[in-house]
Amino acid sequence: KQEVTQIPAALSVPEGENLVLNCSFTDSAIYNLQWFRQDPGKGLTSLLLIQSSQREQTSGRLNASLDKSSGRSTLYIAASQPGDSATYLCAVRPRGGRRALTFGSGTRLQVQP
Amino acid sequence: EAGVTQFPSHSVIEKGQTVTLRCDPISGHDNLYWYRRVMGKEIKFLLHFVKESKQDESGMPNNRFLAERTGGTYSTLKVQPAELEDSGVYFCASSQDAGAPYEQYFGPGTRLTVT
Repeated sequence: KQEVTQIPAALSVPEGENLVLNCSFTDSAIYNLQWFRQDPGKGLTSLLLIQSSQREQTSGRLNASLDKSSGRSTLYIAASQPGDSATYLCAVRPRGGRRALTFGSGTRLQVQP
Repeated sequence: EAGVTQFPSHSVIEKGQTVTLRCDPISGHDNLYWYRRVMGKEIKFLLHFVKESKQDESGMPNNRFLAERTGGTYSTLKVQPAELEDSGVYFCASSQDAGAPYEQYFGPGTRLTVT
C-alpha cells in the first residue's frame, strides 16, 4: 500500500528566502507525481506534474524534482513571497490502470513579509 | 475554460439525514473522481468514473455512499444516512482521457458538517 509523507508539516520563512519542501513515497511503481497548492477554504491548484520518466519540471519560480528509485520528490521555491503562503500537497498516481491519487498530508507554508 | 465546479460549497445536516453533492467536470473530460478529506487526515480517493461507468470504487467507505454519473456529464454523491464521521471536505476532480499525463484538475470542494 502506497504511503506518502511530507516534511516538514509546517514552515515559516521570511520573504525572499529560497526553500525546499519534501515528499517521500514508499512504492516506487508510480506513473506520475503532482504537486498542488491549496489556499484556505479553496480547492487544489495543480502546480507541477512530473512523469515517472522525468527528473524535474519547472514553472516560474517553482522547480520540482523526482528521484523515483529513492521514493523522493522535492519542490523548490525560489525567492519566496507572501503570496506563496498556502498548503502544498504532493500526490502520486500508481503505474497500471488505476488513476487514484495518494496524497501526503501537506506542508503549511507561511512567508513573512 | 470553466474549471471543475461543485455544489453546494457548504452543507450542514443532522445525523441520519441525506445529503447530495454535485460535481460538474471540465467540459470534455471523460474522467471524474471523488476524493474526501476528513478532519486531520489526508485527502483520500473515493471513486473514479469513465464517462458514466464506475472504473474504480475501491475507496468508497461503505454502502451509505452512492455515486452516479448519468449521461457521463455531471456526477452526484449521495450520503444516506449521514453519520458524524462523514464530516469533511469532498473534492471532485476531472481529467482528459486522451494523451498523457492525465493531469487531474480539482474543484473547490464541498464542506460537509454532520451534527
